[in-house]
Amino acid sequence: EADIYQTPRYLVIGTGKKITLECSQTMGHDKMYWYQQDPGMELHLIHYSYGVNSTEKGDLSSESTVSRIRTEHFPLTLESARPSHTSQYLCASSGRGGAYITDTQYFGPGTRLTVL
Amino acid sequence: GESVGLHLPTLSVQEGDNSIINCAYSNSASDYFIWYKQESGKGPQFIIDIRSNMDKRQGQRVTVLLNKTVKHLSLQIAATQPGDSAVYFCAENRAQGGSEKLVFGKGTKLTVNP
Repeated sequence: EADIYQTPRYLVIGTGKKITLECSQTMGHDKMYWYQQDPGMELHLIHYSYGVNSTEKGDLSSESTVSRIRTEHFPLTLESARPSHTSQYLCASSGRGGAYITDTQYFGPGTRLTVL
Repeated sequence: GESVGLHLPTLSVQEGDNSIINCAYSNSASDYFIWYKQESGKGPQFIIDIRSNMDKRQGQRVTVLLNKTVKHLSLQIAATQPGDSAVYFCAENRAQGGSEKLVFGKGTKLTVNP
C-alpha cells in the first residue's frame, strides 16, 4: 500500500457549500495529481503540481482549485458545490522518494462526493 | 483524437484460468506504460509497468507485453483468482508541452467465476 491519504472518504453535501478535499502523502514525492472518475469510467486529470507553489490545470476542465504550500499536502477546493460535481476524486503522487518507482503514480483511496 | 483504450469493457473467466486484458494506444512517442487494478471503492493500485525499450516484463503471476509495431499492450494474469476481480486500466505516459502526464484507458472489468 502506498502512503497517500485522502479525507473524507465519503461526503454528501448540499448545493452551494464550499468544500475542501484533503490529500497527503508521506513518500517525499514532488509531483501530485488530482483525477476525477465517474463510476466504471476512466480517470481524467483535473489538476497537477510538480512542486511547492506549482499548480497546473489538467486535461479535464474543472471548477475546483488546488494549492501546494507544502510538499506533502495537495488540497482541492470547490467554492460552491453543484450536483454536476458529484463524482469520485482521486489523488496521486509520483517522483523521487525511497523505494518507490519514479514516474509511477501511486493513488489514494479516493473521496466519493455527492452534491444534493 | 489520440487515446488509450481497451478492446473489451468486460472479461469473465473461470478461477484457475489465465486472463488476458488488452490495450491499444495511439501515441508512438509514449515511452512508459503502467497497468493498474482498481477494486470497488478503492483507488487504482499499481500492478506492473514497462518501458518502451522492452517488449515483455514479468511480475508475480502477471506479465505485460508491449508491441510497439501495432501499438498494443496486454496484461496476462496466470491462474486467475477471485481476488483478481476488479477493473484494470492501462495508462500511457505522454510528454505534452514540457510536462509528462498519464493518460488512462477506459478500463476492463474482470470477473472471476469460482
